[in-house]
Amino acid sequence: EAGVVQSPRYKIIEKKQPVAFWCNPISGHNTLYWYLQNLGQGPELLIRYENEEAVDDSQLPKDRFSAERLKGVDSTLKIQPAELGDSAVYLCASSPDRGFAGELFFGEGSRLTVL
Amino acid sequence: AQSVAQPEDQVNVAEGNPLTVKCTYSVSGNPYLFWYVQYPNRGLQFLLKYITGDNLVKGSYGFEAEFNKSQTSFHLKKPSALVSDSALYFCAVAGGTSYGKLTFGQGTILTVHP
Repeated sequence: EAGVVQSPRYKIIEKKQPVAFWCNPISGHNTLYWYLQNLGQGPELLIRYENEEAVDDSQLPKDRFSAERLKGVDSTLKIQPAELGDSAVYLCASSPDRGFAGELFFGEGSRLTVL
Repeated sequence: AQSVAQPEDQVNVAEGNPLTVKCTYSVSGNPYLFWYVQYPNRGLQFLLKYITGDNLVKGSYGFEAEFNKSQTSFHLKKPSALVSDSALYFCAVAGGTSYGKLTFGQGTILTVHP
């Protein structure tokens, strides 16, 4: 079974430029998450989708971050414009469950460096 | 708000010795508790979970964790450490009013010396 696929794995951009990350969850997983992981810290939730609906985006900085999950499968996370403080790893995860009886399956992450 | 504390940034143990990685949590209502492991440049991998039932939970790679409600703890343990266990370990909690939201601790770096 294929795991959660993320691309690109690494991205280096200048500040004020836009950047986008893509995630393909495990087939059949209705719940999709985007997490932000700063160096030396635990992941922090940015947004959670149930199918195509964003059910928790309270921690997404909406002035520069946006996300979409068209058709309830793949998802894209965008930053425009990027700032130096956005340098981090962006993790995508999926789960077959709405609740937390089950575990999350994580992708390998997209590491962003903003210069 | 729910939270997780991992009081040790690093844990060092000799191969073959038992290991413990500590975790305490705060959540309203009954907790759902998890441990994840992260190897360098990789995503997080699920190790084990406590939802209900037996306080001692067994998981992948010989790891286990003990849920202690009175101490609000969920320490990760292994009877005999391997060098290959060296990684970054995260404790996480969900539950209460934060339905569907998993909150992670800061992580603990485990180093197992040969």
